[in-house]
Order: sequence, then C-alpha cells, then structure tokens
Amino acid sequence: GAVVSQHPSWVICKSGTSVKIECRSLDFQATTMFWYRQFPKQSLMLMATSNEGSKATYEQGVEKDKFLINHASLTLSTLTVTSAHPEDSSFYICSASLTYEQYFGPGTRLTVT
Amino acid sequence: GQQLNQSPQSMFIQEGEDVSMNCTSSSIFNTWLWYKQDPGEGPVLLIALYKAGELTSNGRLTAQFGITRKDSFLNISASIPSDVGIYFCACLSQGGSEKLVFGKGTKLTVNP
Repeated sequence: GAVVSQHPSWVICKSGTSVKIECRSLDFQATTMFWYRQFPKQSLMLMATSNEGSKATYEQGVEKDKFLINHASLTLSTLTVTSAHPEDSSFYICSASLTYEQYFGPGTRLTVT
Repeated sequence: GQQLNQSPQSMFIQEGEDVSMNCTSSSIFNTWLWYKQDPGEGPVLLIALYKAGELTSNGRLTAQFGITRKDSFLNISASIPSDVGIYFCACLSQGGSEKLVFGKGTKLTVNP
C-alpha cells in the first residue's frame, strides 16, 4: 500500500514552454501533498505544500507564478513549470501524506534546452 | 532553525559488514523517519519511529528513536550490494505542520 506515482518520469522541453507534472496517490487519499526539488548529490528541497481544495503554500524563495500547483482531488496534484528556463532543469519529486508519514513518487527529471 | 545533522556523509564497506549511521538535532522531534533513495528514484520509507526510546526493525534494518528525542540511528546488518544508495533521516517539522525536515544523507557503497 501507500503507492505514489508521477508522470512523466522524464521530460525535455524548450526554453519558454510550460511543463506539467502529475502526482497521484494510487491506493490512498491524501489531503496534503508536497513538491520537492533535488539537485545532484543534495538532499530534497521543499518547494510547496499542496492542500486539496485550497491554494498551495510556497516555501520562501519559490516563485508561485512560475511553479503553479493545483490539488484538484484527494489523489491528484499537479506542478506546472511555466516559461521554463535551463536553470529549472532538475529532479522534481512529489510526496503524499498519510497520517504522519510521507510517501514519495519516483520523481520527474526535467531538462530544459 | 530546525536542522538535522546526519553522519557519516558517506561509507564504503564490504558486503557482509554491518553499517551504522545517525542523525542528531538541537531540537526535539516527535517523529523520526528513515528513507532510502536509489539513483534516479524517489525516497522509499524504511522505518518510522514515534516514541522516544523505541527500537524498530524492518528485516536487516534496525532504527532507534533516542530517549532525548534529539537523535536517531539506523543500523543495517549483513549488508548486501542492493543496500547501495543514499539514506536520509527526516523528522516532522515542529508546529503541527506535516512538513519534513531532512538530513543531508549518507551515501552507502557496498563492495561485493
């Protein structure tokens, strides 16, 4: 149980375009989901907390107009990287909260050319 | 701020050896979690600890929640090549939110 999926697993896009990443909890409902970014050889950096039916809460320094988060249902949250630039290239990971534990998706590798 | 100090940063061991890594904090936490991350994958939850002094096992893995609530260790016994990866400790942030505070990770290499 407690499986979280992400789609796509990797994506390459051109500068200036937008990319949407989906995060789904497959066998449980998650009121709260989280979006992280991970740079090579570093720990996970929390970008935002996504709550079903309400606006996401962004961490300090994360541009909310650039990283649009929508938590449309108890099993789906999406992250849209708008007007992507090469510096947005990274590994993006979502997680879903079940009681006091977070279960992570497999991650999405974004490369912006 | 809330920080977790995880050590060692990396370990190189021979297959069959036991491994120990730990996390400490200057703050008290009520939940300690241990995750493993394989390259190009998301972290996988290994063990969750909820009570000070609690010792929990998951196969060859054993983790303990320190009695002061400021530390935790993870032991791996009889290591095998598939134990290779990065191990992270994490705690539930104080203040009632569900956010996690992460350690910087311990990279484990197992030589066959």
